[in-house]
Amino acid sequence: GESVGLHLPTLSVQEGDNSIINCAYSNSASDYFIWYKQESGKGPQFIIDIRSNMDKRQGQRVTVLLNKTVKHLSLQIAATQPGDSAVYFCAENMDDMRFGAGTRLTVKP
Amino acid sequence: KAGVTQTPRYLIKTRGQQVTLSCSPISGHRSVSWYQQTPGQGLQFLFEYFSETQRNKGNFPGRFSGRQFSNSRSEMNVSTLELGDSALYLCASSRAWVSNEQFFGPGTRLTVL
Repeated sequence: GESVGLHLPTLSVQEGDNSIINCAYSNSASDYFIWYKQESGKGPQFIIDIRSNMDKRQGQRVTVLLNKTVKHLSLQIAATQPGDSAVYFCAENMDDMRFGAGTRLTVKP
Repeated sequence: KAGVTQTPRYLIKTRGQQVTLSCSPISGHRSVSWYQQTPGQGLQFLFEYFSETQRNKGNFPGRFSGRQFSNSRSEMNVSTLELGDSALYLCASSRAWVSNEQFFGPGTRLTVL
């Protein structure tokens, strides 16, 4: 079965609010966890990654948190904008990329 | 810098036929990975090529095959098409093998009738 999964299939937020997208994983041997964004009609786009020995990593308006105790990964998007509307995938790099099911984020104006 | 290009963008085939999809990676990228995306199964890894060698293969039947050329361009082939092969086939390139940051093309939408 899938080793990476997402808690919610959809998430709707107001423009300007913060968004939190969650992901659970089962494989403790993963070296890296990655977040991708896929807009309609396009291929996935790399957002940020985090090594398994880290708890937190920040990028531009995004923060990824890794809780190895409960095998949980989250992506936080600050001040969510309409352009953030997309499907977000978590993935783990196990010598091949394994993607979760995806969460559709909708940003309401 | 041009992105990853995939041809054709759309394809309609019938059961039993075979199909070849093409992918041109970003200049300088030597790794090409292929994925199948469907509503039911999500994004699933097919295989990865690096320097003309298949480095890794996902859990797909032997009907799915691929190759990579010396210029890093890659093709994937599906023989004896089944209805369940209808999907978006995505190609991604990266500089290194098994890279976290992969650059995806727009995909080829294959419909099998």
